[in-house]
Amino acid sequence: GIQVEQSPPDLILQEGANSTLRCNFSDSVNNLQWFHQNPWGQLINLFYIPSGTKQNGRLSATTVATERYSLLYISSSQTTDSGVYFCAVGGYGGSQGNLIFGKGTKLSVKP
Amino acid sequence: NAGVTQTPKFRVLKTGQSMTLLCAQDMNHEYMYWYRQDPGMGLRLIHYSVGEGTTAKGEVPDGYNVSRLKKQNFLLGLESAAPSQTSVYFCASSYIGPSGGRNIQYFGAGTRLSVL
Repeated sequence: GIQVEQSPPDLILQEGANSTLRCNFSDSVNNLQWFHQNPWGQLINLFYIPSGTKQNGRLSATTVATERYSLLYISSSQTTDSGVYFCAVGGYGGSQGNLIFGKGTKLSVKP
Repeated sequence: NAGVTQTPKFRVLKTGQSMTLLCAQDMNHEYMYWYRQDPGMGLRLIHYSVGEGTTAKGEVPDGYNVSRLKKQNFLLGLESAAPSQTSVYFCASSYIGPSGGRNIQYFGAGTRLSVL
């Protein structure tokens, strides 16, 4: 099956700093999502982005499907950005359409 | 608009006991999923359903059973709980995308289960 690797595993930032999280995947995908899991455990979908670039406020994401990676950018970080960021990908057809999750990047934003 | 609702939120079981976790969605989604999340890990798929009356195995199905008798509900059962099933369980649902594929998944708040 598809392998998903996220880096870095841990990241500590000072409030106001910018960061880039990376997701590498091992095969072609037709589904890629970024999620934020807040400190209370809730999973929130940030982007559905199997290809291209999207922006939502201080967050943006880019997926280069041909090179099998996706990047999540966080600008002017805030303490509320803390939590774990997951990348999840899905392949083509049947059970391959199910999402495979990476192990996540744990982000801590200090005031 | 409740989205995806999981009950219960917390549960403690003794080894060998059984229980059922309920997931309900009000978005008329075709697809529903059950995941487990263990410390330091991403989510792993237990079972999923592509429509009412259908279920299929995911990555880690052993020790669990599921049923989807109604489109809006997806039940996860543990027949004989084991300590290895201590985990946080998430339910999710999604609609069919424009090309017939999967699309954005929406998650419930999770159920924290401890098996002693």
